[in-house]
Amino acid sequence: QVQLVESGGGVVQPGGSLRLSCVASGFTFSDYGMHWIRQAPGTGLEWVTFIRYDGSKKYYVDSAKGRFTISRDNSENTVFLQMDRLRIEDTGVYYCAKDVGRYTWDYLSWFDYWGHGTLVTVSS
Amino acid sequence: EFVLTQSPDTLSLSPGERATLSCRASQSVSYSYLAWYQLKPGQRPRLLIFSASSRAAGIPDRFSGSGSGTDFALTISRLEPEDVAVYYCQQYGTSPLAFGGGTKIQI
Repeated sequence: QVQLVESGGGVVQPGGSLRLSCVASGFTFSDYGMHWIRQAPGTGLEWVTFIRYDGSKKYYVDSAKGRFTISRDNSENTVFLQMDRLRIEDTGVYYCAKDVGRYTWDYLSWFDYWGHGTLVTVSS
Repeated sequence: EFVLTQSPDTLSLSPGERATLSCRASQSVSYSYLAWYQLKPGQRPRLLIFSASSRAAGIPDRFSGSGSGTDFALTISRLEPEDVAVYYCQQYGTSPLAFGGGTKIQI
């Protein structure tokens, strides 16, 4: 069955960096786009970023542009989220999620499988 | 900006009762491209409904979605204790992709 396992969360000071990883199994990873979605404490979900199945295009929420970078390694079935210049408001649980469509070009989609999430805490 | 407003914030019901969760959009959702997810503490989020009314694989038929335009609903016909969760709607028809604020179901 489809499994998505995130790692790399932790506590970091404002201005610091973290790199999240999400290892996928149970499907042909290289055929599907992948997303990161976050949930700040006590609030709802927020889509953060998407990468196409082949890594050729990436999309970001405005607040992440210029600070976060999504990438993937299809040989390792892994998607990454490099987060730099972190802010207190980046605190939350970060989920990786599989796009429902094969070879999807655009980030406007829905998510059929999610991981359990990894907690990122930005605090001084 | 595309805003999804969910109501009520919290729904307190008894097992066997019917739950109706509302999701209202600030503008029409293109092609009824609306999904519903269930989030339980300590578990991974689960897709329930896509395209407003299509049930995802493995989802019990007591979960149903309806609506079009700006008004959508998720209905759980007979609540079970394991339905305690927060439910989110999400639109994917128009940029930017957006989630609602969630409705918590208590039993």
